Amino acid sequence: GESVGLHLPTLSVQEGDNSIINCAYSNSASDYFIWYKQESGKGPQFIIDIRSNMDKRQGQRVTVLLNKTVKHLSLQIAATQPGDSAVYFCAENRRDNQGGKLIFGQGTELSVKP
Amino acid sequence: NAGVMQNPRHLVRRRGQEARLRCSPMKGHSHVYWYRQLPEEGLKFMVYLQKENIIDESGMPKERFSAEFPKEGPSILRIQQVVRGDSAAYFCASSKDRATNTGELFFGEGSRLTVL
Repeated sequence: GESVGLHLPTLSVQEGDNSIINCAYSNSASDYFIWYKQESGKGPQFIIDIRSNMDKRQGQRVTVLLNKTVKHLSLQIAATQPGDSAVYFCAENRRDNQGGKLIFGQGTELSVKP
Repeated sequence: NAGVMQNPRHLVRRRGQEARLRCSPMKGHSHVYWYRQLPEEGLKFMVYLQKENIIDESGMPKERFSAEFPKEGPSILRIQQVVRGDSAAYFCASSKDRATNTGELFFGEGSRLTVL
């Protein structure tokens, strides 16, 4: 869901470790979820998505897990690399909207230490 | 194959002036979306347009803001009589089809508006 804050949550990991970024959403009408990566000064970049009829989806080095019972979404990045440093946003798409009206979370800043 | 192109990348305006932000969608895309991002926050939906039509403007402030996507040319987000609170990054995204159940929105690099 939406939240407003002065400081982004941060996650610092060592290069080569796995990263887990969490997100809570608020609306049970949401049926589609997306993770975006945003590097400094750039626009959001699509990473991976998942529909509400799934609980897990894997991509290249990334896995998204969806727990509808507690309205929780997570992004797992395997073997985190310095190039993964960015702000990660989860976004939800509600089936009652007309399309493209994504609801973004606050974001988590991932910092990868070499 | 160029992505979503936004200009200007940076825009400085004084209070009371007008800001015009332009967005050219990806080739073959006829659906455009505008989002606003305040510092250290997520993106907030503003408006969804298809060629010559506004489909959903539920995120647009009621006053001073307007958007269009003409038959020819880029989409324009117009902010009249800007105030300091309008300072933000404005992102445009496009899709080939109505993005009802897909996250396949392709975002531009954004236009950063600073109001002095």
